[in-house]
Amino acid sequence: AQKITQTQPGMFVQEKEAVTLDCTYDTSDQSYGLFWYKQPSSGEMIFLIYQGSYDEQNATEGRYSLNFQKARKSANLVISASQLGDSAMYFCAMREGYRFTGANNLFFGTGTRLTVIP
Amino acid sequence: GAVVSQHPSWVICKSGTSVKIECRSLDFQATTMFWYRQFPKQSLMLMATSNEGSKATYEQGVEKDKFLINHASLTLSTLTVTSAHPEDSSFYICSATPGTSGVRGRGFKQYFGPGTRLTVL
Repeated sequence: AQKITQTQPGMFVQEKEAVTLDCTYDTSDQSYGLFWYKQPSSGEMIFLIYQGSYDEQNATEGRYSLNFQKARKSANLVISASQLGDSAMYFCAMREGYRFTGANNLFFGTGTRLTVIP
Repeated sequence: GAVVSQHPSWVICKSGTSVKIECRSLDFQATTMFWYRQFPKQSLMLMATSNEGSKATYEQGVEKDKFLINHASLTLSTLTVTSAHPEDSSFYICSATPGTSGVRGRGFKQYFGPGTRLTVL
């Protein structure tokens, strides 16, 4: 079974509008971390936001927020006030294990290509 | 924030040659480095996990003898694609972690290099 599922291959959003990128995950661990990365056309992976499985509040980082619904195993990324520079691939990822020792790698979803329309 | 560099950023080589890609953590000691491969419009696929001073752990289906990984120091890991062929053409990305430093410490995050685009003719 896929550990991370992103069901939206592509999304369009009007500039200045908000957009939600979906992500569901599968794990039997009680302790895990969820990440969102942005990959522009240059290829670099840019860390956006992190949510720990024990965090009671949804994570927020500027215009990014993570809608964490633990019972549904979903970790959707919400981008508010979209900008043209937000056009990129977005990857949801998960890391299992509490202490996040270096040996615990990230499992990536297939990504969602976001296009912001002027 | 932490910086990871990769060199070269792109390389074109002839079939049958070997190519070495370097991954460096510039401002922290990376106990673990990861090597990923990404085909166009696809996700990142983990190739191997590299711990300093020990042999790399390869994912299933990744040829150890073809993709040689050396993690000789806490700031440098190298990936050598031996006898490269056109099907090895891909985008190779490394990442590094500072290791365990608490649940919310720097260790929880992986820092990615900018990637290396390999084209084998």
